[in-house]
Amino acid sequence: GENVEQHPSTLSVQEGDSAVIKCTYSDSASNYFPWYKQELGKRPQLIIDIRSNVGEKKDQRIAVTLNKTAKHFSLHITETQPEDSAVYFCAASISHNYGQNFVFGPGTRLSVLP
Amino acid sequence: SQTIHQWPATLVQPVGSPLSLECTVEGTSNPNLYWYRQAAGRGLQLLFYSVGIGQISSEVPQNLSASRPQDRQFILSSKKLLLSDSGFYLCAWSSGDTIYFGEGSWLTVV
Repeated sequence: GENVEQHPSTLSVQEGDSAVIKCTYSDSASNYFPWYKQELGKRPQLIIDIRSNVGEKKDQRIAVTLNKTAKHFSLHITETQPEDSAVYFCAASISHNYGQNFVFGPGTRLSVLP
Repeated sequence: SQTIHQWPATLVQPVGSPLSLECTVEGTSNPNLYWYRQAAGRGLQLLFYSVGIGQISSEVPQNLSASRPQDRQFILSSKKLLLSDSGFYLCAWSSGDTIYFGEGSWLTVV
């Protein structure tokens, strides 16, 4: 089955710097890759996603890139702010006849230092 | 628009007591439904998923069970809780590519 790895597990950056989180997946049939942000004590919320027919997607300060050949995708946050501090999860999804399978990475705890 | 409701938000239960967490989705039909558990500071562990009424798949063998009595209702249950069942339980739904999470239920087993 699908396996998703995520690095680093923790990341500290200075306010204003960029942060990059990388994920790899194992199943080449995965075709959808969402990213979630989870603040302490709250539910994960979708922040950006990318489908397998697209190489890059950007939404203001966040962007995601996908390399299907290498089976890895990355989240880029520019001009980081203290409110970006949270745990970020990547996921890979495959649609089957019997439903949709989401496999999540273990998460990255991002700390933005003022 | 679609919404997902999950309750109770928090509960403290003694070891050996039963559990029932409920989740309902509004604004969509025939969604895929999921139960995840998140231990403190850890990742998302898929417990159960359902593609339709009465259709439940279990990902992790344990003392928990799930039921889907109606199209948009998903229930997580246990007959006897263990200390290791403590955690943050998240219901989620999808009807396309994206998965959306409920607000979660904090369970502490004492």
